[in-house]
Amino acid sequence: EVQLVESGGGLVKPGGSLRLSCAASGFTFSNAWMSWVRQAPGKGLEWVGRIKSKTDGGTTDYAAPVKGRFTISRDDSKNTLYLQMNSLKTEDTAVYYCTTGPITGTTFLGYYYGMDVWGQGTTVTVSS
Amino acid sequence: EIVLTQSPGTLSLSPGERATLSCRASQSVSSSYLAWYQQKPGQAPRLLIYGASSRATGIPDRFSGSGSGTDFTLTISRLEPEDFAVYYCQQYGSPPQTFGQGTKLEIK
Repeated sequence: EVQLVESGGGLVKPGGSLRLSCAASGFTFSNAWMSWVRQAPGKGLEWVGRIKSKTDGGTTDYAAPVKGRFTISRDDSKNTLYLQMNSLKTEDTAVYYCTTGPITGTTFLGYYYGMDVWGQGTTVTVSS
Repeated sequence: EIVLTQSPGTLSLSPGERATLSCRASQSVSSSYLAWYQQKPGQAPRLLIYGASSRATGIPDRFSGSGSGTDFTLTISRLEPEDFAVYYCQQYGSPPQTFGQGTKLEIK
């Protein structure tokens, strides 16, 4: 079964740091392009950033509000995606989802096919 | 950054009716890298449409997407009770990816 499980959320003070993890299973993680999407309480979806597979360069892209503060990385040996969040602000309070494209069998179908697999989300609260 | 504007903000319809949701981009969306998602309270989003008009796996054929360039539409031909939710468009062709602000489809 294809699965993404986020962890690491919690309560942190403004200016603090937190690292989220996303454990992947049921597919060949190393070939997948992975993204983080967040949703503030009562608000819409906001794309946070994406990391390509290492075979496609392993590069990252970020949304403007988090660029320079957040870092996405991956450990393909552990089938795990990370989101390192520094200099946190109250406006970073949200549910954070990791997500990837459709999986056929155990194979990532490709970036063009949208984000079809989502974790359950982990909640980050930034408050003093 | 491409800004996506969805309209209407809220759409009130009855089961069996046809729903038409709009998504307009501030600049052309690269190669129709436009997706639609459905989200229900307390749940993760669900992919409905990718590539502007292709249904994702398992999505009923009452859902259809159309459009290109800067204007896109999600149509639900005959609303079922489970279709009442919030819908988001997303462009993923040009980093940074962006989502529209959402259209809430509510029961009239």
